[in-house]
Amino acid sequence: AQKVTQAQTEISVVEKEDVTLDCVYETRDTTYYLFWYKQPPSGELVFLIRRNSFDEQNEISGRYSWNFQKSTSSFNFTITASQVVDSAVYFCALNVDQKLVFGQGTRLTINP
Amino acid sequence: EPEVTQTPSHQVTQMGQEVILRCVPISNHLYFYWYRQILGQKVEFLVSFYNNEISEKSEIFDDQFSVERPDGSNFTLKIRSTKLEDSAMYFCASSEEAGGWGFSYEQYFGPGTRLTVT
Repeated sequence: AQKVTQAQTEISVVEKEDVTLDCVYETRDTTYYLFWYKQPPSGELVFLIRRNSFDEQNEISGRYSWNFQKSTSSFNFTITASQVVDSAVYFCALNVDQKLVFGQGTRLTINP
Repeated sequence: EPEVTQTPSHQVTQMGQEVILRCVPISNHLYFYWYRQILGQKVEFLVSFYNNEISEKSEIFDDQFSVERPDGSNFTLKIRSTKLEDSAMYFCASSEEAGGWGFSYEQYFGPGTRLTVT
C-alpha cells in the first residue's frame, strides 16, 4: 500500500515552544517524493517543502526544519520557537504516480 | 507570482442539481488536478488531466463527475447530480509536468471552492 500516516491528530503548545509533527509513509517505489503542506484557517493549501528519496540531508528554512529518515520511512517537521501564526493543519503527502496521497493532517494550535 | 485561481469560493446547491467548479491553472502548466477535502478530513485525489484527456482518476470520480478544458485557460469540474455527500472543499492544482517514473513536480493548489449541497 502507498500511504501516509500522521498519528498526531492535534497538538497544542504555548508560543515559543518547539514542536515536531510526525509523518510516516509506506511506498513500494524506490524513488519518490514527499511533501508538507500547511492549511491555515482560511482553507488554502500552502506548499512548504518537497523532498526526494535520494536526498536524506535535513533541510532548514528559517524556523522550519525537516528530518528525512529513509530507514524508518519518516519525514518529520519541526517548528522552532513557534508563533501563533503557525496555527494551522499540516499535511504530509507522498507522490504516487501522478497524484499526491495525503496523510490525515495534524491540527497545530499555538497558544499565546 | 503566478497562482491557481478558483471560482466561486463558495457554492451552495440543492441535491440533484448540476454544479460546475471552475479553475484557471498557472499558464505554462500542462497537468491539472482536482482534489476533494470533506470537512475535517484529509485531502483526496479525484482526477488528473493532460492533453485534453483524463490521465488518472480515483474511485471517487464516478460517472457523476466530469472534467473539461473548454478553452486555453479554464479547467472545470462538473458534478451532474449532486448528493449530500458531495459537500466538501474542492481544490484545483496544476503542475508543469506530471512526474511519474520516480519524479515529481510541485503541484500548485488553488484556494479551493467550498461546495455545500443541501
